Amino acid sequence: QSALTQPASVSGSPGQSITISCTGTSNDVGRYNYVSWSQQHPGKAPKLMIYEVSNRPSGVSNRFSGSKSGNTASLTISGLQAEDEADYYCSSYTSSSAPVVFGGGTKLTVL
Amino acid sequence: EVQLLDSGGGLVQPGGSLRLSCAATGFTFSSYTMNWVRQAPGKGLEWVSGISGSGGSTYYADSVKGRFTISRDNSKNTLYLQMNGLRVEDTAVYYCAKVFSPLHTFDAFDIWGQGTMVSVSS
Repeated sequence: QSALTQPASVSGSPGQSITISCTGTSNDVGRYNYVSWSQQHPGKAPKLMIYEVSNRPSGVSNRFSGSKSGNTASLTISGLQAEDEADYYCSSYTSSSAPVVFGGGTKLTVL
Repeated sequence: EVQLLDSGGGLVQPGGSLRLSCAATGFTFSSYTMNWVRQAPGKGLEWVSGISGSGGSTYYADSVKGRFTISRDNSKNTLYLQMNGLRVEDTAVYYCAKVFSPLHTFDAFDIWGQGTMVSVSS
């Protein structure tokens, strides 16, 4: 089962917007609206930022937004802040033998 | 407060066994699918196993199928992962994780344990 494809790294300056892509297949991202995004700071457990493509859990800043087109999902962070510097992982429900697949992760650097 | 507390990790030789536990508080444990997700040192997240709220359905990644067994005791609000035939490549931090909605088996993981380290080495 192949992982979803994310860029290894992205960067942006404070106040700017960045977008992280997550490319899957017609068996996962393209078929289901169960795409989520998690943020992980070094040495910490992941934190859910977006669920079901574009929904924010209670308490997550509205600077974080999600979308999907075809087999590719995207996470956009607007008004970048220093605290946003972290690793970001997408995940999706999949019709493969194992029901969940993660992306390889993207390291966000705030310049 | 909704919380998960992982435990049971440690150092084990290849071929050995460990049992991880995850104690849940602050939510109706039996209503939610629960999962184990691992992260090898310096690597990304890998889903390992999941179990339905009732415990009647279990799911495994191909990499652990036949070696790991997930279970739960809803009377004790505790999730388990029995790991047998451990390999060097199983070395990772293991997190338990709760799914977001009781209506969907695998929608998203909204609550995570703090993680427990499993090291497999001779």
